[in-house]
Amino acid sequence: GESVGLHLPTLSVQEGDNSIINCAYSNSASDYFIWYKQESGKGPQFIIDIRSNMDKRQGQRVTVLLNKTVKHLSLQIAATQPGDSAVYFCAEKWGAQKLVFGQGTRLTINP
Amino acid sequence: DAGITQSPRHKVTETGTPVTLRCHQTENHRYMYWYRQDPGHGLRLIHYSYGVKDTDKGEVSDGYSVSRSKTEDFLLTLESATSSQTSVYFCAISGGPNNEQFFGPGTRLTVL
Repeated sequence: GESVGLHLPTLSVQEGDNSIINCAYSNSASDYFIWYKQESGKGPQFIIDIRSNMDKRQGQRVTVLLNKTVKHLSLQIAATQPGDSAVYFCAEKWGAQKLVFGQGTRLTINP
Repeated sequence: DAGITQSPRHKVTETGTPVTLRCHQTENHRYMYWYRQDPGHGLRLIHYSYGVKDTDKGEVSDGYSVSRSKTEDFLLTLESATSSQTSVYFCAISGGPNNEQFFGPGTRLTVL
């Protein structure tokens, strides 16, 4: 069925370290994936996306990796800062317009 | 929030009363969506619209109806609110080159 899951519900990292958030998806036909960041009391914020014809895409301090063989997606955040504390969701595109979201991983930054 | 506003931002209502939530966009995007977000369930699609007067159901549409009479406005109506509809509701829009979705600030609805 439709499902996008996350390996870990919580992740704690030291400020300045790199963070890696993982996501498993179920639909091998999905051709587009998005990572969102959600801070407390706010709506999800678009971070970065990747199409299935790519393995890697880089943004500002963030990198998304896609492994279609094992249906795995990861978000890497370099030099994690206190402002990176949030819940991170991956989303998988189903059909023309629908997204299916994972449960989310809460990232906590330790000083 | 990508030119998206939601109103009201907070609402408390009683079981059995009708409730309408409004989403307004200034981006002139074709697609608009309503989601609900609950602990343990993540974001789930209620209804979406692919144009004025064109709407379709999502995975949790029972008990909800929508209307879109103008490009910029997408309304979500709970005809007779129930406690199970207590949730945070998010509107989203898409229309960019990849049709990536951008979200509004959310409406927290409590049904007593």
